[in-house]
Amino acid sequence: KQEVTQIPAALSVPEGENLVLNCSFTDSAIYNLQWFRQDPGKGLTSLLLIQSSQREQTSGRLNASLDKSSGRSTLYIAASQPGDSATYLCAVHASSGGGADGLTFGKGTHLIIQP
Amino acid sequence: DTGVSQNPRHKITKRGQNVTFRCDPISEHNRLYWYRQTLGQGPEFLTYFQNEAQLEKSRLLSDRFSAERPKGSFSTLEIQRTEQGDSAMYLCASSLLGGRTGARKNIQYFGAGTRLSVL
Repeated sequence: KQEVTQIPAALSVPEGENLVLNCSFTDSAIYNLQWFRQDPGKGLTSLLLIQSSQREQTSGRLNASLDKSSGRSTLYIAASQPGDSATYLCAVHASSGGGADGLTFGKGTHLIIQP
Repeated sequence: DTGVSQNPRHKITKRGQNVTFRCDPISEHNRLYWYRQTLGQGPEFLTYFQNEAQLEKSRLLSDRFSAERPKGSFSTLEIQRTEQGDSAMYLCASSLLGGRTGARKNIQYFGAGTRLSVL
């Protein structure tokens, strides 16, 4: 059974700092990996998707990397802003379903950016 | 494209009552997913549809839960004889896999969720 772990569970940093969120998964047979953002009481917003054949994806100040063989992904946030405060979730799609079945999520990293 | 819509946003019910939630996916998305999220946890997969066919159900989906997607458009999730342990946020997501555009990434777009409180 796939398990996804996110470290740290919570993080508080001053505005302007660069930071890294970590995600690890136990079964390397994945179709893709997605990073999401969730604001309190709200749904999920997709930030980045990395296909299993890719090593990284970038969107603005966000960069996500994937090392499938070691079962790890990182989300790098550059020049953090108070508006980045949210819970960040990592999720993987199993390759057995061709990316068609449900995602397996980690518990998330609760991020607070201090003004 | 108005995004994934879920109704109601909040539902408070007494234990033993039945509840039904609705999800309207992004137009033309052929896949629709239901997840459940409890406080401090990531979402957990419940079930998914490709068009009107329900293709997979998690072990979390007890026989008190039933989901439908008539005509491959909106979907409903019904919980019968609710229990306090059913209290959670129920999230719906939709995606496009294949189709005319040959979409392959299967990016899932989530709705805002329905928060259920069972008293």
